[in-house]
Amino acid sequence: DAGVIQSPRHEVTEMGQEVTLRCKPISGHDYLFWYRQTMMRGLELLIYFNNNVPIDDSGMPEDRFSAKMPNASFSTLKIQPSEPRDSAVYFCASSYLAGEANEQFFGPGTRLTVL
Amino acid sequence: KQEVTQIPAALSVPEGENLVLNCSFTDSAIYNLQWFRQDPGKGLTSLLLIQSSQREQTSGRLNASLDKSSGRSTLYIAASQPGDSATYLCAVRRGSARQLTFGSGTQLTVLP
Repeated sequence: DAGVIQSPRHEVTEMGQEVTLRCKPISGHDYLFWYRQTMMRGLELLIYFNNNVPIDDSGMPEDRFSAKMPNASFSTLKIQPSEPRDSAVYFCASSYLAGEANEQFFGPGTRLTVL
Repeated sequence: KQEVTQIPAALSVPEGENLVLNCSFTDSAIYNLQWFRQDPGKGLTSLLLIQSSQREQTSGRLNASLDKSSGRSTLYIAASQPGDSATYLCAVRRGSARQLTFGSGTQLTVLP
């Protein structure tokens, strides 16, 4: 298995532009998580899905952030408009409910820089 | 609200030394605890997961323990190697919730 796949790996954009981050979870996993990592706040959960349905989006910082999961193999996190304070590394993770441990597996992350 | 603390924030040891990384959490009603490794500029790699009913888990030179009553977990690394240099994060999953709450990590440097 290729593991969790994220694209792009790096994104540099200007303030006000729309940014779309993409994630492909591990095949067969039914939970998908979006996290954000910054030096100041560490790793924070933004939103997670179960069977493509958003379950908890309480971590989404503001209305500028939105996430979708149109099918079991693809999810997007969109920021519109982007701001410099959105600069961070964004991680996607997936897990399998029926697995005893429900262990989460992380992708390599997307490093976002908003100028 | 669950809070997870990792001390120390950074640790430097000579190669070959055995070492212990600490993780504490405020709410003992956890479902499991997971230890991760993060290399600079990379994602998180899961090292060990301990279920709430377990006391410890072992993988190679790594041993993780869990004491729910005291809200503590330790990650023991035997015979450390320079390749072990990375940031180690612990994360707890509480009850029926699926999300993880992360500590801020311990940055480990193993000197050759």
